[in-house]
Amino acid sequence: GENVEQHPSTLSVQEGDSAVIKCTYSDSASNYFPWYKQELGKRPQLIIDIRSNVGEKKDQRIAVTLNKTAKHFSLHITETQPEDSAVYFCAVPRWGDDKIIFGKGTRLHILP
Amino acid sequence: GAGVSQSPRYKVAKRGQDVALRCDPISGHVSLFWYQQALGQGPEFLTYFQNEAQLDKSGLPSDRFFAERPEGSVSTLKIQRTQQEDSAVYLCASSLAEGAKNIQYFGAGTRLSVL
Repeated sequence: GENVEQHPSTLSVQEGDSAVIKCTYSDSASNYFPWYKQELGKRPQLIIDIRSNVGEKKDQRIAVTLNKTAKHFSLHITETQPEDSAVYFCAVPRWGDDKIIFGKGTRLHILP
Repeated sequence: GAGVSQSPRYKVAKRGQDVALRCDPISGHVSLFWYQQALGQGPEFLTYFQNEAQLDKSGLPSDRFFAERPEGSVSTLKIQRTQQEDSAVYLCASSLAEGAKNIQYFGAGTRLSVL
């Protein structure tokens, strides 16, 4: 079955610097890759997603890059701000059915 | 419009009790998912509905867990004879289109504590 690994589990970044979180997956047929942000005690919310027909997608300070050959995709946050502090989850829907596998999450701390 | 609504927000149950957790998805959303999120972990898939049909229940951890969505809108997750290991946040998510390859909108969750 699909295996999703997310790294790092914790990341501390100085405010204004960039943060990168990486996910690897095992099923080469996977073709949709979302990232969710979950603030403490709140619901997960989609922040960006990418489909396999493109290699990169940007939305203001957030970008996602996809390497289908290597089977990994990464979340990039530039010019980090205090409100970026949260847990970030990657997710990969399993090909052929409707089960979605989430990574274990990355706790991002933005240091003042 | 309203987002995904879950009730109750918190539930404390004694071991062995039955509980029912409710999810009101966004109106018109075809897909509905239930997840279990343990502390410090990512959401783990439990089950998926497309309208009223339960197309995937492979994530339900035991036959004590049962979900339904009889009219294709509101869904209920029922846990019978609760055990301590059932303590977690139960998240519901809905999506406009069919399947898992679309944006999912999550509810705030029900935090279940089994004593």
